[in-house]
Amino acid sequence: AQSVAQPEDQVNVAEGNPLTVKCTYSVSGNPYLFWYVQYPNRGLQFLLKYITGDNLVKGSYGFEAEFNKSQTSFHLKKPSALVSDSALYFCAVSGLGGYQKVTFGTGTKLQVIP
Amino acid sequence: EAQVTQNPRYLITVTGKKLTVTCSQNMNHEYMSWYRQDPGLGLRQIYYSMNVEVTDKGDVPEGYKVSRKEKRNFPLILESPSPNQTSLYFCASSTGKRTEAFFGQGTRLTVV
Repeated sequence: AQSVAQPEDQVNVAEGNPLTVKCTYSVSGNPYLFWYVQYPNRGLQFLLKYITGDNLVKGSYGFEAEFNKSQTSFHLKKPSALVSDSALYFCAVSGLGGYQKVTFGTGTKLQVIP
Repeated sequence: EAQVTQNPRYLITVTGKKLTVTCSQNMNHEYMSWYRQDPGLGLRQIYYSMNVEVTDKGDVPEGYKVSRKEKRNFPLILESPSPNQTSLYFCASSTGKRTEAFFGQGTRLTVV
């Protein structure tokens, strides 16, 4: 069975500081990993994905994520947080075994403090 | 504009009264899914479909039905809703397991 863990329910960071939202996963074989963002009263929006290749993935709105196979992690990062980054962030994994058994984490609320 | 459209956005119903939440996508995507979002539990997959007439259970299929008669539509059916199905529901579509999903705006369902 595949699983995703987002160990922090909430992350607070000051505007302008770097941010990290953590994600670890468990899946058979090579993982397909995704980050999505959800703003209040909205659906989820895709940020970035790791399929294969470079361990550092760049995505929308200045976000990036680092894939670490040995630590089975896929942490979301941004060098300088904006107040408008405040939202709910979800990590998701899809592994072997056909489409599209996708497992999401429980979400991390990011609060950027002015 | 590429989009996934769910209807209704909000629904309050009574226990046992059958309801259908519609989902339609205009991107010619093969793959569609339904999720429910609950506080502290994140998103959990209810059902997914790999193509017309091909559907499979996700993690929490009990109490739900789906059908995929046309590529663009993937309705979610609750034949006898119960209060524990009160939740925020999302439909999503994509071109495959390696690709990102496009999500609808959500349907907030309350069963009393």
